[in-house]
Amino acid sequence: DSGVTQTPKHLITATGQRVTLRCSPRSGDLSVYWYQQSLDQGLQFLIQYYNGEERAKGNILERFSAQQFPDLHSELNLSSLELGDSALYFCASSVEAGEQETQYFGPGTRLLVL
Amino acid sequence: GEDVEQSLFLSVREGDSSVINCTYTDSSSTYLYWYKQEPGAGLQLLTYIFSNMDMKQDQRLTVLLNKKDKHLSLRIADTQTGDSAIYFCAVRGGSYIPTFGRGTSLIVHP
Repeated sequence: DSGVTQTPKHLITATGQRVTLRCSPRSGDLSVYWYQQSLDQGLQFLIQYYNGEERAKGNILERFSAQQFPDLHSELNLSSLELGDSALYFCASSVEAGEQETQYFGPGTRLLVL
Repeated sequence: GEDVEQSLFLSVREGDSSVINCTYTDSSSTYLYWYKQEPGAGLQLLTYIFSNMDMKQDQRLTVLLNKKDKHLSLRIADTQTGDSAIYFCAVRGGSYIPTFGRGTSLIVHP
């Protein structure tokens, strides 16, 4: 158990809908990362937050957004969902955001868009 | 940007050693990681190595780094059926964000 929790574990929804995925980092970790894992794209970095502020952006679509709250939990919002958004979404956390930081991953949320 | 390559599958017999290989392109990579993903689970950090090291051993795991060839390997001694999983190589350079390989599926058969 990495100490990172994600809810829900599974999510089934329809195209065009909007969903929110939630992540609680390990106790004491200030940095949160979101990743998307799909069969064709592998593990893709989406976005990183550090202590409430956006720190780095990767291959995140405009239909997706995220935030990190004062209690350090983070939410990833996915809107206007398409079939291709079906994937595993992982959250990871680390203490800070420096070079030496190692990321610890949550169990993921499996999203299925029908 | 960084590119990280791994072979997709490796099949070994229980009790043998497994060697999973990874190549990367960015010579400024400073931190190199191995993660394990079991079915239905998240990625679990197995071990990592800094670029100023050539080798790191941790129980049954041995990581070898050849900086000249930009090649990283993970050796698992006495492989068990419980080692069956997908193994990801990840590499990080100047940015805080690691680049992951596509993962190698390790299949251990009796």
